[in-house]
Amino acid sequence: AQSVAQPEDQVNVAEGNPLTVKCTYSVSGNPYLFWYVQYPNRGLQFLLKYITGDNLVKGSYGFEAEFNKSQTSFHLKKPSALVSDSALYFCAVRDMYNNNDMRFGAGTRLTVKP
Amino acid sequence: NAGVTQTPKFQVLKTGQSMTLQCAQDMNHEYMSWYRQDPGMGLRLIHYSVGAGITDQGEVPNGYNVSRSTTEDFPLRLLSAAPSQTSVYFCASSPDRGPSYEQYFGPGTRLTVT
Repeated sequence: AQSVAQPEDQVNVAEGNPLTVKCTYSVSGNPYLFWYVQYPNRGLQFLLKYITGDNLVKGSYGFEAEFNKSQTSFHLKKPSALVSDSALYFCAVRDMYNNNDMRFGAGTRLTVKP
Repeated sequence: NAGVTQTPKFQVLKTGQSMTLQCAQDMNHEYMSWYRQDPGMGLRLIHYSVGAGITDQGEVPNGYNVSRSTTEDFPLRLLSAAPSQTSVYFCASSPDRGPSYEQYFGPGTRLTVT
């Protein structure tokens, strides 16, 4: 079955600095990759996805993610972090053979300090 | 559009009690799903539905039942609550069952079983 790993429980960055939240995946076929953000006491909100094509995907709120097939990674990035970006971030994957089952990583808590 | 709505927001049950978590969406989405969120484990799929009258099990289905009599509603039933079912439950929907579709999440139900 497909799976996702987020190797960092916590990421701390200073406001204005670039941020990266890491994600690696495992699938049988072609991956369909997603990033979601969760603010306190809220549901998950979709940020961006990779389906096919350009390896650099742009999404909401200035976030982008880079798909790397050889490293099976899909890291989330932002050039300049804001305090309001502080939240819990989830990477998720579906594969083409079991596309009813979206698997999520354990989540990475991002804290942006002023 | 209200999107995906869930009721109740909070619930406390005693061991052995049963209850139904309600989920509704007004986007005419075919695919709906239920997840539970536990600390350090991300979201895990309980049950899903690819259309009215069609449901199937996800990763952690034991102790839960679902039905899908209409496109809009997808209730989750706890048959006999156990402390291990203490969790935050999220309902989600997407336009279709294909792997490229992102899911839209409800605000969640926080359930405590004593």
